[in-house]
Amino acid sequence: GAVVSQHPSWVICKSGTSVKIECRSLDFQATTMFWYRQFPKQSLMLMATSNEGSKATYEQGVEKDKFLINHASLTLSTLTVTSAHPEDSSFYICSVMGGSSSYNEQFFGPGTRLTVL
Amino acid sequence: AQSVTQLGSHVSVSEGALVLLRCNYSSSVPPYLFWYVQYPNQGLQLLLKYTTGATLVKGINGFEAEFKKSETSFHLTKPSAHMSDAAEYFCAVKTQGGSEKLVFGKGMKLTVNP
Repeated sequence: GAVVSQHPSWVICKSGTSVKIECRSLDFQATTMFWYRQFPKQSLMLMATSNEGSKATYEQGVEKDKFLINHASLTLSTLTVTSAHPEDSSFYICSVMGGSSSYNEQFFGPGTRLTVL
Repeated sequence: AQSVTQLGSHVSVSEGALVLLRCNYSSSVPPYLFWYVQYPNQGLQLLLKYTTGATLVKGINGFEAEFKKSETSFHLTKPSAHMSDAAEYFCAVKTQGGSEKLVFGKGMKLTVNP
């Protein structure tokens, strides 16, 4: 399977600041990347889907101007939480898809814990 | 629309006992089905998946699951629980030939008692 990294693994920021989270596919070309958020003791909720070189497709209820996604290359996608507020505190997980997988399996990163004070 | 139901939120078993985590899905077309495991503060790791073919699927760490179309179920089992199995388990569904989105169940926390 693919190796996916996220950076940073955790971040604490002040309310009103912006935070950028990176998701990297280390060993294959990810044509599609997904961003999820997970609240404590809850399931993963898909935020958006991005294809390399295209604009991200956001799920209903997700503010695209607040959660900026850039999928500039086949190995890197970034999620920027703009003007973060305490309610944005969550665990953000990316996944990647592509390469030689026959059934379009998603491979998940280790997650980034965001805490907004 | 697809959906996944994992009834309950917590299962507790003794070490060496059978593990059974239930998953029911709703899909209007043949599904792909997945089980993922999540350890604290980590991402998801694929345990096993059903795509086509054999309905009994074997995965990593001794887990297996059986796709039962008539029951719209994909329950996860392991004959003998180990302490290291303690984690959160998620069932997920995706439509064959459709959207690439995974739809996850709420998850089930497995506790293994010594």
